Amino acid sequence: IAGITQAPTSQILAAGRRMTLRCTQDMRHNAMYWYRQDLGLGLRLIHYSNTAGTTGKGEVPDGYSVSRANTDDFPLTLASAVPSQTSVYFCASSDRLAGATEQFFGPGTRLTVL
Amino acid sequence: GQNIDQPTEMTATEGAIVQINCTYQTSGFNGLFWYQQHAGEAPTFLSYNVLDGLEEKGRFSSFLSRSKGYSYLLLKELQMKDSASYLCAAMDSNYQLIWGAGTKLIIKP
Repeated sequence: IAGITQAPTSQILAAGRRMTLRCTQDMRHNAMYWYRQDLGLGLRLIHYSNTAGTTGKGEVPDGYSVSRANTDDFPLTLASAVPSQTSVYFCASSDRLAGATEQFFGPGTRLTVL
Repeated sequence: GQNIDQPTEMTATEGAIVQINCTYQTSGFNGLFWYQQHAGEAPTFLSYNVLDGLEEKGRFSSFLSRSKGYSYLLLKELQMKDSASYLCAAMDSNYQLIWGAGTKLIIKP
């Protein structure tokens, strides 16, 4: 693996179903993030994790949950999907120990909830 | 509140110069980032400014004025491959990025 990977690439999901988006990084970055990107809006932070074992809520956390059991993985779960969660989801990571550094993004997951 | 403003869309000609402006308001400030995002792809890092002034990196330059809450990205010698969205993001006191909606740059031959 080089960088950040996300799975699946795209998914069509029935409303009410549970879905987990996967994110894995191999850069040993301590901080990881989940964003959603909708047309006409900036990237909006859903949840973040500054280090393994800790998580925090971002701007739009409702309906989503995350876990950070180890440094590399940061899955995002939709417990009961709704159509408003149709979006492109990006996972990102950064080396927070270095202070203000850039975030590196995964290729994204395009999710459609019907 | 926290807010980032940038134009929705700009058009420029191949070979020309274009300046994309960004104004920001954040709770604390730890720097200003510019990212490039081609359609259907992930954002990729272009530049970072934390001190006032101009940072030059090849055909791309980025400027910051902290007192005015203002930044711009300058692209020179435009190429067709520069057609993309350019995202401005300010880092707040918690080291979280606050993102603008992006400026879609259309390059015409």
